[in-house]
Amino acid sequence: DGGITQSPKYLFRKEGQNVTLSCEQNLNHDAMYWYRQDPGQGLRLIYYSQIVNDFQKGDIAEGYSVSREKKESFPLTVTSAQKNPTAFYLCASNKKGLAGSITTGELFFGEGSRLTVL
Amino acid sequence: AQTVTQSQPEMSVQEAETVTLSCTYDTSESDYYLFWYKQPPSRQMILVIRQEAYKQQNATENRFSVNFQKAAKSFSLKISDSQLGDAAMYFCALERTGSARQLTFGSGTQLTVLP
Repeated sequence: DGGITQSPKYLFRKEGQNVTLSCEQNLNHDAMYWYRQDPGQGLRLIYYSQIVNDFQKGDIAEGYSVSREKKESFPLTVTSAQKNPTAFYLCASNKKGLAGSITTGELFFGEGSRLTVL
Repeated sequence: AQTVTQSQPEMSVQEAETVTLSCTYDTSESDYYLFWYKQPPSRQMILVIRQEAYKQQNATENRFSVNFQKAAKSFSLKISDSQLGDAAMYFCALERTGSARQLTFGSGTQLTVLP
């Protein structure tokens, strides 16, 4: 079945360490996104990518980095520069790409990764 | 800048009853989409219902319907005949049509369904 796979589901990290969260989709979607979810704050956009080898910062990009080397994959690295990395991270995708592609608006989400910094 | 406000952090409803979740938003755009997403305890978000701003008719999906008041910038979700499986966090979201940026989400409403 088509969908989005995030791994790991739970991750613990020591302060000062970088950690990479994986996101893979087999929906043939152009656009992929990373959101951070904190209690009482909803979802905030970290980074998004509309096409391979291109990505843009979202609202809270500081301390994070991404890559988009393949259409199916959009890994997120939480660096040691992120001051408060403990959170739930959600990856999403949709059909929207650059001008000319179909816009549905609907996001498809993975099951999330919970990162805890010890 | 776009904002989405959900003023009810928690709501509860008796099974088989009806509940309405509130959402207000602010945008300078005239054309946009509004969404309600559901996040059950499994944490995977799923789309509940979608409304295009240019459509006057309120969207309906089975037991879920919206009351879209464009002038008031209000977008409430009504759940009829509530079921135990409706218990979840519900997020209201706003997207500008054609925007390269993605959705702006509200802070969520935790819905409890009482048996």
